[in-house]
Amino acid sequence: QITLKESGPTLVKPTQTLTLTCTFSGFSLSTSGVGVGWIRQPPGKALEWLALIYWNDDKRYSPSLKSRLTITKDTSKNQVVLTMTNMDPVDTATYYCAHTNYYDSSGHVDYWGQGTLVTVSS
Amino acid sequence: EIVLTQSPATLSLSPGERATLSCRASQSVSSYLAWYQQKPGQAPRLLIYDASNRATGIPARFSGSGSGTDFTLTISSLEPEDFAVYYCQQRSSWPQTFGPGTKVDIK
Repeated sequence: QITLKESGPTLVKPTQTLTLTCTFSGFSLSTSGVGVGWIRQPPGKALEWLALIYWNDDKRYSPSLKSRLTITKDTSKNQVVLTMTNMDPVDTATYYCAHTNYYDSSGHVDYWGQGTLVTVSS
Repeated sequence: EIVLTQSPATLSLSPGERATLSCRASQSVSSYLAWYQQKPGQAPRLLIYDASNRATGIPARFSGSGSGTDFTLTISSLEPEDFAVYYCQQRSSWPQTFGPGTKVDIK
């Protein structure tokens, strides 16, 4: 079965860089149609797509955050890493790792990690 | 960026009643719309994709309809476990966007 799990710091200081790792199992990110990305949700608020990387290394970024985000994949380790620079308290949120597949659920998110709460505070 | 608007913001109903949730897009998303259910402290769960296709394991009481800019999620008879927040999401164009959510609570 497909599982995803986020890991990284739970507390970062303003201006620091956040690095989150998604470690997954049950699928390969070298399989055609597969993508893994990051979605966040501030406390009590709605969901926001941040970045998505596909099996062919094609990448998509939120336009409003593009200058601060980098997404990479390590297919051999079954990991996807997101870095976000210049963190601010408004970036406090639960960060989810997400799986998509064009051939199963038409590219919508069909599997989610449990989420990791990241707090930005000095 | 495509903006999704959901209505109502809150829907207060009793178990056994029918729930009708609406999602409207600021421009056409064809049928590339999904619905998710989220309970407190949990990740969202995919219910419907491509406007009307139930995801694996989703009960038949959940159904979706619509295309273009107007979409509906219907829960035919609410079960106690259905009280949650529901989000629509489009993948027609990047950035993929979510609606603000509709909370279905117990009347």
